[in-house]
Amino acid sequence: RKEVEQDPGPFNVPEGATVAFNCTYSNSASQSFFWYRQDCRKEPKLLMSVYSSGNEDGRFTAQLNRASQYISLLIRDSKLSDSATYLCVVMVRGGGADGLTFGKGTHLIIQP
Amino acid sequence: GAVVSQHPSWVICKSGTSVKIECRSLDFQATTMFWYRQFPKQSLMLMATSNEGSKATYEQGVEKDKFLINHASLTLSTLTVTSAHPEDSSFYICSARPRTEGGYTFGSGTRLTVV
Repeated sequence: RKEVEQDPGPFNVPEGATVAFNCTYSNSASQSFFWYRQDCRKEPKLLMSVYSSGNEDGRFTAQLNRASQYISLLIRDSKLSDSATYLCVVMVRGGGADGLTFGKGTHLIIQP
Repeated sequence: GAVVSQHPSWVICKSGTSVKIECRSLDFQATTMFWYRQFPKQSLMLMATSNEGSKATYEQGVEKDKFLINHASLTLSTLTVTSAHPEDSSFYICSARPRTEGGYTFGSGTRLTVV
C-alpha cells in the first residue's frame, strides 16, 4: 500500500467552479500535513499547511480527518492560474529521515 | 520569505562523468537539508537527509557511493552524482525547513540529463 495516495486526475473543471480532491495516508504516526502546488517542470511550492481544525486561505480550504486518515483540499471560484499539480504531503517526525512523503499529485486543469 | 537557492537549473552531461548540484539557504541556517528525486509523472522520492557536520542519512535503495552528499556549512549542501548514467536522468530537488514549525522550502530543482 502506498504511503500517500491521491487520484492523479486530470480533473478538468470550468473556470469559476468549485473543485475538491482528497488524499489518504497510511502511516497513523503522521504528524504534519501539507498541500503543495507544483507547476510543470518546477519545484513544489507550499500552498498551505493542514490542521485538524481545518483551515482556510482565501479560496482554498483544507481539512484533515485523522480518524479516517485523509486530507482534503477545496478550491472555490477556480481561476485559470490554479491549473497545476497538487501534491499531498505528510511528515512523520522521528521516523528516521524526518522528511516528507509525497503523493504523486492530482493534476488540475481549469478550462476557460 | 525563506529562500533555498539551487544550482544548476539544468545540466546535460555525458555518461560516466560526475555532476555536482548545490543547494544554499540564503537567509536562514539549515542544519538539515533533504534531497529528492522526481521521475516524470512520479512523486518526489526522498533520497537522503543531509546533516551539517556529519554523514548523510540515505534512504533504502539509494547508493551512498554514487550520490555523494556534503553538508559543510549551515547554508550549503551539495549532491554529487558520480559516474552518471542515463538512468540517473531525473529532476533533483533539495529542501529545508526554515523554522521548526511550518512548511518546507524547496530549491528550484536541477534537471539532469545524462546522454
